[in-house]
Amino acid sequence: DAGVIQSPRHEVTEMGQEVTLRCKPISGHNSLFWYRQTMMRGLELLIYFNNNVPIDDSGMPEDRFSAKMPNASFSTLKIQPSEPRDSAVYFCASSPWKENTEAFFGQGTRLTVV
Amino acid sequence: DQQVKQNSPSLSVQEGRISILNCDYTNSMFDYFLWYKKYPAEGPTFLISISSIKDKNEDGRFTVFLNKSAKHLSLHIVPSQPGDSAVYFCAARDLTGTYKYIFGTGTRLKVLA
Repeated sequence: DAGVIQSPRHEVTEMGQEVTLRCKPISGHNSLFWYRQTMMRGLELLIYFNNNVPIDDSGMPEDRFSAKMPNASFSTLKIQPSEPRDSAVYFCASSPWKENTEAFFGQGTRLTVV
Repeated sequence: DQQVKQNSPSLSVQEGRISILNCDYTNSMFDYFLWYKKYPAEGPTFLISISSIKDKNEDGRFTVFLNKSAKHLSLHIVPSQPGDSAVYFCAARDLTGTYKYIFGTGTRLKVLA
């Protein structure tokens, strides 16, 4: 299995532009998580899906952030409009929906908003 | 509010000695705990886990200890190797329904040769 695949690996955009981050989870995993890594908060959970349905989006910082999972093999995290404080590394992770198992992470997208 | 806390942002240890990384949590509903290791420019990778019904789990050089009454867990690495230098994240999972993973802020471990 190729693991969790995220694209792009790096994104540099200007303030005010729309940014879309993409994730392909591991086949057969029915839980998908979006995290943001910052120095202050570590790995901060933004939103997670189970069977393509958003279960908890309480970590989404504000209305500029939105996430979708149109099918079991694809998810997007969109920021519109982007701001410099959104600069961070964004990770996608997936796991089976069962007890005592770990989540598998992608390599992340480093977002820089200038 | 940080439900999983790693109060030491960094730790330096001599090669061959023991590394002890600590983690505290506040939510008594957490039932499963994990440690991840992260190298620069890579995603976190799973290292070791422990269920709340246990107080110790060992895998080679890595041992995780859980003290439920103190809401505290620790990761011991013995002996420490330069390749262990990375950021270590503690995580907890609420198994009562949401199954989401809550992570701490991480501890940067540096093993000195």
